Amino acid sequence: DAKTTQPTSMDCAEGRAANLPCNHSTISGNEYVYWYRQIHSQGPQYIIHGLKNNETNEMASLIITEDRKSSTLILPHATLRDTAVYYCIVRVPYQTGANNLFFGTGTRLTVIP
Amino acid sequence: KAGVTQTPRYLIKTRGQQVTLSCSPISGHRSVSWYQQTPGQGLQFLFEYFSETQRNKGNFPGRFSGRQFSNSRSEMNVSTLELGDSALYLCASSLALDGATNEKLFFGSGTQLSVL
Repeated sequence: DAKTTQPTSMDCAEGRAANLPCNHSTISGNEYVYWYRQIHSQGPQYIIHGLKNNETNEMASLIITEDRKSSTLILPHATLRDTAVYYCIVRVPYQTGANNLFFGTGTRLTVIP
Repeated sequence: KAGVTQTPRYLIKTRGQQVTLSCSPISGHRSVSWYQQTPGQGLQFLFEYFSETQRNKGNFPGRFSGRQFSNSRSEMNVSTLELGDSALYLCASSLALDGATNEKLFFGSGTQLSVL
């Protein structure tokens, strides 16, 4: 699976949109972009994923550039509970035994009151 | 639907001892993966079990082992503990359908292991 590059940390004011970027310039055609987040001392939590179209769910929106070399996770109205480490991961469709995800260092998002 | 359950939540051991951690996956999930998380190395893949067989293994010494039972529950064992084994050990389960493009890992809260 391709590797990703994310900023180490970001701040966001409470109530504003948080835009978290991710570069995945070596992504392959069949690799999906996934986002997870980890709140302190808990296990990572799935947020959203996509292939090439923009995606939205109840938690966030995912914008993937047309060349698929980068993406942005958008939390539309950040709250204090969104303070966490956000991981951008790329992976191929599941094949037996292939849940060896590379999490990298992620982006530490701090939502400021 | 109950989430992934890991026990115990906290554990303190001394060097040289061995430890067994337990993970109960979400009902219906066939794959269980284990990850180690330390401040210095981040989240690192240990191994994945599917249908009671280890299907994939990360770059960890043989002191780290595991198994999966017929009900998909999994245990992880670390023998001859070292100080560097102090970490948060996370278990994740998934449906594991071959070819799935929406494969998601559901993580437990982890077992915090401290080796003294």
